[in-house]
Amino acid sequence: QKEVEQDPGPLSVPEGAIVSLNCTYSNSAFQYFMWYRQYSRKGPELLMYTYSSGNKEDGRFTAQVDKSSKYISLFIRDSQPSDSATYLCAMTDSGYSTLTFGKGTMLLVSP
Amino acid sequence: GAVVSQHPSRVICKSGTSVKIECRSLDFQATTMFWYRQFPKQSLMLMATSNEGSKATYEQGVEKDKFLINHASLTLSTLTVTSAHPEDSSFYICSARASGQGLSGNTIYFGEGSWLTVV
Repeated sequence: QKEVEQDPGPLSVPEGAIVSLNCTYSNSAFQYFMWYRQYSRKGPELLMYTYSSGNKEDGRFTAQVDKSSKYISLFIRDSQPSDSATYLCAMTDSGYSTLTFGKGTMLLVSP
Repeated sequence: GAVVSQHPSRVICKSGTSVKIECRSLDFQATTMFWYRQFPKQSLMLMATSNEGSKATYEQGVEKDKFLINHASLTLSTLTVTSAHPEDSSFYICSARASGQGLSGNTIYFGEGSWLTVV
């Protein structure tokens, strides 16, 4: 079993839809959870980070962490064509040594 | 957010030559920098972790003599691909971890990446 599982997609939605992106993980030592957005042929851009369980909201984006289920989510409200990108989840332990990434989910938002 | 600059963004080199990629943290000091490789439609593969002033730690399967990493200052790390071959063609991305306390101080930021094509 891989440490971090993420559905590669592509996930196609119409503009304005609510998008749900998810990752599951197996390492209970993970404490910090991040979501990165990567446009084609560009480096990843940090979107959100959370510590331990709970929710965090930033504009149209909400990150959720459920450590009991080892499951994290990123919700995008009122999705826009400019949100079309690959979304990578990443996580690390309390030592914050290295990030473990999911494979990324490609999101396509059509006008 | 913090800015990490990577140069060059694109480079084409002949087989057998060496090419250097620079990674700079522009507005923060980075005690640790990471180098990744990414193939099309694949996730990021960590190649090595470099700490300022010490030798890099390479991931299993990554040839340290082929991918030379130098982290000479708190704002600069370099990756040199030596004796490049066509199979080394890939997207190379660096990231930098800001030194400091707390989650925000330890956040990792990525450069824009460098496309290497070996012909």
